[in-house]
Amino acid sequence: GDSVTQTEGLVTLTKGLPVMLNCTYQTTYSPFLFWYVQHLNEAPKLLLKSSTDNKRTEHQGFYATLHKSSSSFHLQKSSVQLSDSALYFCALSLNTDKVVFGTGTRLQVSP
Amino acid sequence: GGIITQTPKFLIGQEGQKLTLKCQQNFNHDTMYWYRQDSGKGLRLIYYSITENDLQKGDLSEGYDASREKKSSFSLTVTSAQKNEMAVFLCASSIRVEQYFGPGTRLTVL
Repeated sequence: GDSVTQTEGLVTLTKGLPVMLNCTYQTTYSPFLFWYVQHLNEAPKLLLKSSTDNKRTEHQGFYATLHKSSSSFHLQKSSVQLSDSALYFCALSLNTDKVVFGTGTRLQVSP
Repeated sequence: GGIITQTPKFLIGQEGQKLTLKCQQNFNHDTMYWYRQDSGKGLRLIYYSITENDLQKGDLSEGYDASREKKSSFSLTVTSAQKNEMAVFLCASSIRVEQYFGPGTRLTVL
């Protein structure tokens, strides 16, 4: 079946450093990929989305590129801030109503 | 803009009890979802509904019932609460695959 894998459960970094959160997926169809961010005690919110192969998409300093050849959609930022501390979910949709979420990566940024 | 409201915010139940969680959205979205969030396990789909009176089972539907009485509301029932169960239940609605989430209901079963 369709699935999303996020290999890191927790990533801890000092502010100002770059970050990459891994996301790979498995599907036989043409996918929509998403990154959602959930701050503590808040609802998840959409951060990025893409269905276009090899095109970088950016929002709020975060960026990701969908690579269909490697089934990946890694999330990156060049310089993390304290306010980036949150839970990040990668998700997959096949242009249907059903969305499959990864297990999430918690990003913890220290001063 | 729009908003999703979930009631109650906190729900404490007893083992074996039937518990109902409610969700309302004013986005006028067709599709609504119920997810369960456990620590370290991401978001797991319980039920979703693509229109009024429609129900589709997710991967975690066993032990739950759902009801979509009208376009704007989607209810979830825990049919028999399990002792020591703790989770956050998130409601969402979507248009063109992008999902909008409510603030969640935090369930504790004593």
